[in-house]
Amino acid sequence: QVQLVQSGGGLVEPGGSLTLSCVASGFAFSATGMHWARQAPGKGLEWVAFLQFDGRDKVYRESVRGRFTISRDTSNNTLFLHMNSLRPDDTAVYYCVKDNPVLGVWGHGTLVTVSS
Amino acid sequence: EILMTQSPASLSVSPGEGATLSCRANQSLRDNLAWYQQKPGQPPSLLIYRASSRATGVPARFSASGSGTDFTLTISRLELEDFALYYCQQSDVWPWTFGQGTRLEVK
Repeated sequence: QVQLVQSGGGLVEPGGSLTLSCVASGFAFSATGMHWARQAPGKGLEWVAFLQFDGRDKVYRESVRGRFTISRDTSNNTLFLHMNSLRPDDTAVYYCVKDNPVLGVWGHGTLVTVSS
Repeated sequence: EILMTQSPASLSVSPGEGATLSCRANQSLRDNLAWYQQKPGQPPSLLIYRASSRATGVPARFSASGSGTDFTLTISRLELEDFALYYCQQSDVWPWTFGQGTRLEVK
């Protein structure tokens, strides 16, 4: 079955960097679009970024564009979210999500806390 | 970005009864609307996509309809496991956006 195992969260100071990882299994990772979404503590859901199935097209929400980069390593079935210039309002549980259809399968989430 | 508005914010219903949740967009989505269920401490799970298609493994008591700007999720014969948070989400235009959620509570 589809599995998305996330890692890489933690506490980081404002302005710092962090990279999230998501190891995928149970489906054709190299032929599937992938997303990152997030949820601030006690708040609703927010879509963050998308990587097209062929790896060419990337889409970001405006508030993270230029600071976050979505990428993948198809040889290791791993999705990444590289986060730079982190701000306190980036504090959230980050979810790796398999596309098709839409936000079809969600990882368990990893907490990122941006605080001094 | 497209604004998604869900109503009501919370709904109290007795097990065995039905519930209807609404979602409205501020511009047409065609049928690019999905519904998700989220239970405490868990990630969301996809219920409905393309406005009315049930995701794999979703019970038939979940049904949905709508197109354009107005959408509905109906849950018939509520079971205890159905009491959770429900979100609608549009995939018509980037950035994909969610409603603020409807909390379905046991009456």
